Amino acid sequence: NAGVTQTPKFQVLKTGQSMTLQCAQDMNHEYMSWYRQDPGMGLRLIHYSVGAGITDQGEVPNGYNVSRSTTEDFPLRLLSAAPSQTSVYFCASRSPGINIQYFGAGTRLSVL
Amino acid sequence: LAKTTQPISMDSYEGQEVNITCSHNNIATNDYITWYQQFPSQGPRFIIQGYKTKVTNEVASLFIPADRKSSTLSLPRVSLSDTAVYYCLVGDNAGNMLTFGGGTRLMVKP
Repeated sequence: NAGVTQTPKFQVLKTGQSMTLQCAQDMNHEYMSWYRQDPGMGLRLIHYSVGAGITDQGEVPNGYNVSRSTTEDFPLRLLSAAPSQTSVYFCASRSPGINIQYFGAGTRLSVL
Repeated sequence: LAKTTQPISMDSYEGQEVNITCSHNNIATNDYITWYQQFPSQGPRFIIQGYKTKVTNEVASLFIPADRKSSTLSLPRVSLSDTAVYYCLVGDNAGNMLTFGGGTRLMVKP
């Protein structure tokens, strides 16, 4: 059982470039979330989804888009990368009714 | 969501018991208290969850007083590998919006 898988592990972008961070889970969890973690800080919620076809904004959604076409996948798109988006991005999933989240290993993104 | 307050950092020595307290004065009736552990360069990992009184598993114990306005994570006989950031979260089991505060950085020294 792989759990929550994030790709890539590392990425360097130039300002203005776009890219998609991938997240997949094999636990059949309905709920999935994206967080960012800046150095020395806690995690902040970007977007989340409570099921296929349903997404909503978290605390810091600006500059990011998400979609949820399948239960397994929840990609995060950076539309036009900015240096302020340099961070570590974590994807998480959980089952409804059980508030225990399972996190991926993270994607370390640098925007130059 | 109930706001939580934790110490920013704590130091301990190998073999000692460590207690990390979290304050959550506006906890709601349906809220559970959940603790996560995060090692450097890794995602957070679930440690323990409780609603009231005491919960114990193979990793830690969680003590929750009757008023539920605080909780204490207890790590018995810590080792160097317990050096990590520990987060306290409060929320019900229906909602998806989880707020992570800054957590408590535990440093275990030899």
